[in-house]
Amino acid sequence: AQKVTQAQTEISVVEKEDVTLDCVYETRDTTYYLFWYKQPPSGELVFLIRRNSFDEQNEISGRYSWNFQKSTSSFNFTITASQVVDSAVYFCALSGGETSGSRLTFGEGTQLTVNP
Amino acid sequence: EPEVTQTPSHQVTQMGQEVILRCVPISNHLYFYWYRQILGQKVEFLVSFYNNEISEKSEIFDDQFSVERPDGSNFTLKIRSTKLEDSAMYFCASRQGGRNQPQHFGDGTRLSIL
Repeated sequence: AQKVTQAQTEISVVEKEDVTLDCVYETRDTTYYLFWYKQPPSGELVFLIRRNSFDEQNEISGRYSWNFQKSTSSFNFTITASQVVDSAVYFCALSGGETSGSRLTFGEGTQLTVNP
Repeated sequence: EPEVTQTPSHQVTQMGQEVILRCVPISNHLYFYWYRQILGQKVEFLVSFYNNEISEKSEIFDDQFSVERPDGSNFTLKIRSTKLEDSAMYFCASRQGGRNQPQHFGDGTRLSIL
């Protein structure tokens, strides 16, 4: 069975601060896929970034960056120079490979509040 | 940019009534999903659909639920006899191809059972 844990329930920062959202996952698959989604107050789910288990190179995309550490089963997400519009619930999600199907298993979410 | 569309945005139904939630996935996508999110909780998988049949379903997706792709564009979720605990936001998602591709979600249908 797959599991995603987001230990941070709520984070509050001041605009322009950097913020890192933690995600730890469990899976028996050797190939799997990790995603971050954003859910703003309007309720929709917006895809942000993805990572394949076989590609450990960390990347930056604009103000977003992610740190994938297979050895610790972690997939952390950082927003640089946060803005008020970044306020949302952020979900880490895992999709499996050979044993777990293509369903997304979501974490509990982290509520990020960026204050002006 | 193409997007997944869901209708209605909000559905209010009496307990015991049937409800159909509708989705139009992105046109060149092949894999379709339904998820639900009870208020304040995480998003939960219900069912996946590929090549006109269910490929996977969760324990939530019991005999009261069914899915259908009646034509080339719509993808529906039917709940036969709604219960109070079915009240949730229901999200449709679609994926283009391989599992490394992201699932793109619609804006959701808020289902309220009275």
